Amino acid sequence: KAGVTQTPRYLIKTRGQQVTLSCSPISGHRSVSWYQQTPGQGLQFLFEYFSETQRNKGNFPGRFSGRQFSNSRSEMNVSTLELGDSALYLCASRSGTGQLAGNTIYFGEGSWLTVV
Amino acid sequence: AQSVAQPEDQVNVAEGNPLTVKCTYSVSGNPYLFWYVQYPNRGLQFLLKYITGDNLVKGSYGFEAEFNKSQTSFHLKKPSALVSDSALYFCAVRRYTGRRALTFGSGTRLQVQP
Repeated sequence: KAGVTQTPRYLIKTRGQQVTLSCSPISGHRSVSWYQQTPGQGLQFLFEYFSETQRNKGNFPGRFSGRQFSNSRSEMNVSTLELGDSALYLCASRSGTGQLAGNTIYFGEGSWLTVV
Repeated sequence: AQSVAQPEDQVNVAEGNPLTVKCTYSVSGNPYLFWYVQYPNRGLQFLLKYITGDNLVKGSYGFEAEFNKSQTSFHLKKPSALVSDSALYFCAVRRYTGRRALTFGSGTRLQVQP
């Protein structure tokens, strides 16, 4: 069974540009969440999607957005990039929500974003 | 609000010795607790979780963790460390109800010396 797949793995963008990151969850998983990892702030929750609906959102500005498609694949977008957006962006999937909140969250390898 | 504390930035242990990586948490209601490991330039790999039941949880690669409700702790342990266990370890908590995002600790770097 394939794991969580993220593309691209590495990218470099210029300040002010926008970026779109893609995530394919584990087959059968309907919940996808995104996390940002930086040396200074650690791992921080961005948002979670289930059945194409955003279910939870972290404390990030509106420049960070996401969406989920009917096949559970997800994308996140960051507009007007700032130097501080340089980070490892991790996508994670799990099989359900509600009372299945104890289900394990599996992470992808991440997308390394460098903003110059 | 929920939070996780990993009080040690780094833990050093000799190969073959037992290891412990500490984690304490704060959450209202019943917690779900997780341990993940991260190798350089990689994502997070799931090690084990506590949902309910037995306080001693066994996970991947010989790791185990003990849930202690009175001390709000969930320390990661392994009886005999390997050099290949050297990595960054994260403890995480999620509430049973309500917002279910994972809240992570700051991470503990485990260094196993040969």
